Amino acid sequence: SQQGEEDPQALSIQEGENATMNCSYKTSINNLQWYRQNSGRGLVHLILIRSNEREKHSGRLRVTLDTSKKSSSLLITASRAADTASYFCATRQAGTALIFGKGTTLSVSS
Amino acid sequence: GAVVSQHPSWVICKSGTSVKIECRSLDFQATTMFWYRQFPKQSLMLMATSNEGSKATYEQGVEKDKFLINHASLTLSTLTVTSAHPEDSSFYICSAKSPRTSPYNEQFFGPGTRLTVL
Repeated sequence: SQQGEEDPQALSIQEGENATMNCSYKTSINNLQWYRQNSGRGLVHLILIRSNEREKHSGRLRVTLDTSKKSSSLLITASRAADTASYFCATRQAGTALIFGKGTTLSVSS
Repeated sequence: GAVVSQHPSWVICKSGTSVKIECRSLDFQATTMFWYRQFPKQSLMLMATSNEGSKATYEQGVEKDKFLINHASLTLSTLTVTSAHPEDSSFYICSAKSPRTSPYNEQFFGPGTRLTVL
């Protein structure tokens, strides 16, 4: 089963621009996490935001969480070609496995 | 940090054969492991949850007789794809939950195994 949707499905930008990806989910959650996956590779954990947090930063990443709207956004500032990858949000309800969204494919051209 | 390994990293097999994939937690004991499947250009789909010493819990639509999961120790879970067919070709990713990670009990992911069935 999948928890929700990412929006947009695909995003193409130039180096230096900001990239914003959105994630919506369906049920109440314990926390929400963002992962990156380069083509054909494993997952890289980016950031975790708890259900009682509204915003979190990590380097060039900024994540927001709106539990009333059941949505989250991931902002990558000053993007680089190396940021080209698929990005997934994943949610956890208490005591269960992470459930992934459908993902956003980001392409950053130099 | 918590490291999860998978073996093999890729495997090619003939249709009708069985393939075993191993998932190991290298520096922690994982009471719970999860198996995901990812088809090309799609997201990860949870297949099953396995708890050490007990039967795995499969997600709806996943055939338990086809995807045999064994979690015999706190550091090893195996997924056996029985009588594999081309439609089973996919990227299989395991994940282990460390009870030491507080307070979130987060999951750590293996690098994945790419299965190609000819």
